[in-house]
Amino acid sequence: SQQGEEDPQALSIQEGENATMNCSYKTSINNLQWYRQNSGRGLVHLILIRSNEREKHSGRLRVTLDTSKKSSSLLITASRAADTASYFCATQETSGSRLTFGEGTQLTVNP
Amino acid sequence: EAQVTQNPRYLITVTGKKLTVTCSQNMNHEYMSWYRQDPGLGLRQIYYSMNVEVTDKGDVPEGYKVSRKEKRNFPLILESPSPNQTSLYFCASSFWAGGLAGYNEQFFGPGTRLTVL
Repeated sequence: SQQGEEDPQALSIQEGENATMNCSYKTSINNLQWYRQNSGRGLVHLILIRSNEREKHSGRLRVTLDTSKKSSSLLITASRAADTASYFCATQETSGSRLTFGEGTQLTVNP
Repeated sequence: EAQVTQNPRYLITVTGKKLTVTCSQNMNHEYMSWYRQDPGLGLRQIYYSMNVEVTDKGDVPEGYKVSRKEKRNFPLILESPSPNQTSLYFCASSFWAGGLAGYNEQFFGPGTRLTVL
């Protein structure tokens, strides 16, 4: 079963706007990662946040983690058409060694 | 260049004809994994390996085999492919720091699009 679930499933915004995607998970985790996938291609790692961290930044990306609510959010600021892609969260559970992916959010940024 | 390579990139085959999809990484990663991606189902893990000669089942291992005889290679074997194994397959690798440190980022291959007729 999927550990992480992204919300929304699809998001369409205008260039320049901010995009926020959420990820919820069920069990205790060591870390949570966000990945990006352009259509039909391999996933690319964006950012990793560990269970003892609450917020991380990387360029236009901001990730938050709330372990009490078992949720994370990915914010992309000042979006560009090139940000159009699917975004996945992945969690590593404390009870094991697997990394489990959610079903993804499809982001469309309109020029 | 650090990378994960998969071959073939595209494959059309028939039911029952054994096939192998190769995966190789040049980063000396301990952890390697195979996923399949299907519309509406996200990425589902097939098998993973924590190191040489150590493999374990993921969420959807039925109909697949793997081996890890060398650290850099992790082939996926379909002994008797069926149409429900038509999918996009990804291999990935990562350093494994162990314990609570867990994984670093996973590096993904470009994908293998398999069609079983």
